[in-house]
Amino acid sequence: EAAVTQSPRNKVTVTGGNVTLSCRQTNSHNYMYWYRQDTGHGLRLIHYSYGAGNLQIGDVPDGYKATRTTQEDFFLLLELASPSQTSLYFCASSDAPCAETLYFGSGTRLTVL
Amino acid sequence: GQQVQQSPASLVLQEGENAELQCNFSSTATQLQWFYQRPGGSLVSLLYNPSGTKHTGRLTSTTVTKERRSSLHISSSQITDSGTYFCASPQGTGSKLSFGKGAKLTVSP
Repeated sequence: EAAVTQSPRNKVTVTGGNVTLSCRQTNSHNYMYWYRQDTGHGLRLIHYSYGAGNLQIGDVPDGYKATRTTQEDFFLLLELASPSQTSLYFCASSDAPCAETLYFGSGTRLTVL
Repeated sequence: GQQVQQSPASLVLQEGENAELQCNFSSTATQLQWFYQRPGGSLVSLLYNPSGTKHTGRLTSTTVTKERRSSLHISSSQITDSGTYFCASPQGTGSKLSFGKGAKLTVSP
């Protein structure tokens, strides 16, 4: 069973703060994704990557940076956090684009005051 | 880009009743998927169904690609089926999934 681990589980910061969300997958998947989930919007793709050093822009990238440092690790960076970025963030991985099985982490709840 | 619409947005059933969830997508999809999110939890893949009918346990999905729709049928619902069900379909070249807004299912005793 593929494992995707996110940290922290919860995070509170202030407007203008600097936040890094971490994601690690242990199944050597090529594809990793960052989504945000908001009531009324479902899941929206922020950034994704198909390998170490690669970064692709998702559907709602504004205000976010991401970096894939290794096959296993994918980070989401909010350099000047705003209240509109208060959300539940999920990381996911798969072995191919839009693969039959997408493995999700447990989520990080971020609150920007 | 791909638009994915789900209906109903919410559904309340009594244990033992059947649930029918619908998904409509705006362009021909080849990799339609259903996901489940337990209350307060993460998402898990339920069914990958690009076309035709697929079964797993009490779940049946039917996708009619030409009509751009898919359904998820849950038979004999159980309290533990409560949660939110999402359908998702690839955008454009297929590297990105578009998710619907979800259908919240509540099953009561």
